[in-house]
Amino acid sequence: KQEVTQIPAALSVPEGENLVLNCSFTDSAIYNLQWFRQDPGKGLTSLLLIQSSQREQTSGRLNASLDKSSGRSTLYIAASQPGDSATYLCAVYNQGGKLIFGQGTELSVKP
Amino acid sequence: DGGITQSPKYLFRKEGQNVTLSCEQNLNHDAMYWYRQDPGQGLRLIYYSQIVNDFQKGDIAEGYSVSREKKESFPLTVTSAQKNPTAFYLCASSSRDRGLGGELFFGEGSRLTVL
Repeated sequence: KQEVTQIPAALSVPEGENLVLNCSFTDSAIYNLQWFRQDPGKGLTSLLLIQSSQREQTSGRLNASLDKSSGRSTLYIAASQPGDSATYLCAVYNQGGKLIFGQGTELSVKP
Repeated sequence: DGGITQSPKYLFRKEGQNVTLSCEQNLNHDAMYWYRQDPGQGLRLIYYSQIVNDFQKGDIAEGYSVSREKKESFPLTVTSAQKNPTAFYLCASSSRDRGLGGELFFGEGSRLTVL
């Protein structure tokens, strides 16, 4: 059974710092992995989608990597800003056709 | 602008009442989904639909019902049989069958509170 874990559950950093959010999964047979951002009381906003054949994807200050063999993905945020404060979730598409979400990492960027 | 619209944003219901949450998308996506989000439990799949007039149960379908009469619309009814309906409900869509791994897009959510 696929399990997706995000550690830490919460993270607080000063503005300007580069940071890494982690996502691990137990079954490497995935189609892709998607990172989302969720602001309080809002829906999820798609940040990056990495297909199983890809190693990384970049969008602006965000870079997501995927290592299927080790069951890990990281989301790198460069030069963090207070506006980056949100909960970040990863989700994997299993080859069984199921999307499994992690519990999320709540990020706080202090001015 | 293309996107997913959920309504209402907030809804209050008395026990024993059925309520219907609306989800409309203009992204021309084939697949649509309903998730429930509770604190500390993450997102759980209620129902999904890959094409018009077809839908399947997710992990927590009991007490819920859906229809997919149009490609753009996937309403969710929370029935009185749902034991603990107070939650944040999220609708999503993707351009391909989720088994093929299409990118998922979400609406802004509907918060249901049972009084």
